[in-house]
Amino acid sequence: AQSVTQLDSQVPVFEEAPVELRCNYSSSVSVYLFWYVQYPNQGLQLLLKYLSGSTLVKGINGFEAEFNKSQTSFHLRKPSVHISDTAEYFCAVSDRPSGNTPLVFGKGTRLSVIA
Amino acid sequence: GAGVSQSPRYKVAKRGQDVALRCDPISGHVSLFWYQQALGQGPEFLTYFQNEAQLDKSGLPSDRFFAERPEGSVSTLKIQRTQQEDSAVYLCASSLSIGGYADTQYFGPGTRLTVL
Repeated sequence: AQSVTQLDSQVPVFEEAPVELRCNYSSSVSVYLFWYVQYPNQGLQLLLKYLSGSTLVKGINGFEAEFNKSQTSFHLRKPSVHISDTAEYFCAVSDRPSGNTPLVFGKGTRLSVIA
Repeated sequence: GAGVSQSPRYKVAKRGQDVALRCDPISGHVSLFWYQQALGQGPEFLTYFQNEAQLDKSGLPSDRFFAERPEGSVSTLKIQRTQQEDSAVYLCASSLSIGGYADTQYFGPGTRLTVL
């Protein structure tokens, strides 16, 4: 079964500083990767996804992630964070690219942006 | 347009009570998922519907959990004889097609269930 490891449960960072949230997945023949963000009292919102093609994926709100097959990683980055980026971030994996496949999530990383 | 909605947003139940959680998916979405998110954890898959057909219920933790989607739109997750370990946020997600490439799951805000 697939699994996802988010190495950091909490990441504090100062406003306008860069941030990287780490995600590693269990190796599989086919893997499709997602990052979701969860703001307080809200549902999960898709930030970006990797299905195929370019390993550098750009998402909403200035976030990007790089798929690294050799390191089985899909780390999320933002060059300059804002207070409004404070939220919980979840990495997820699927063995198919379609929307009718259950996602396997990591435990999440809480990003706290400090003014 | 309207997103996925869930009700109630918060539910407190006494141990042993039955509860019913409702999910209204985005109109026209064929696929519907239920996930359970325990405190400090990521969401975990419970069950999946394609229209009214429940195609996968492998994630349901016990036979006290039951889900239905009788008309292929609204879905209800029912938990019988609730236990404290059932306390969690229950998330519903829907997606447009039955296998469209690059299709996305859209999540509702969740129902926070607390069992006393």
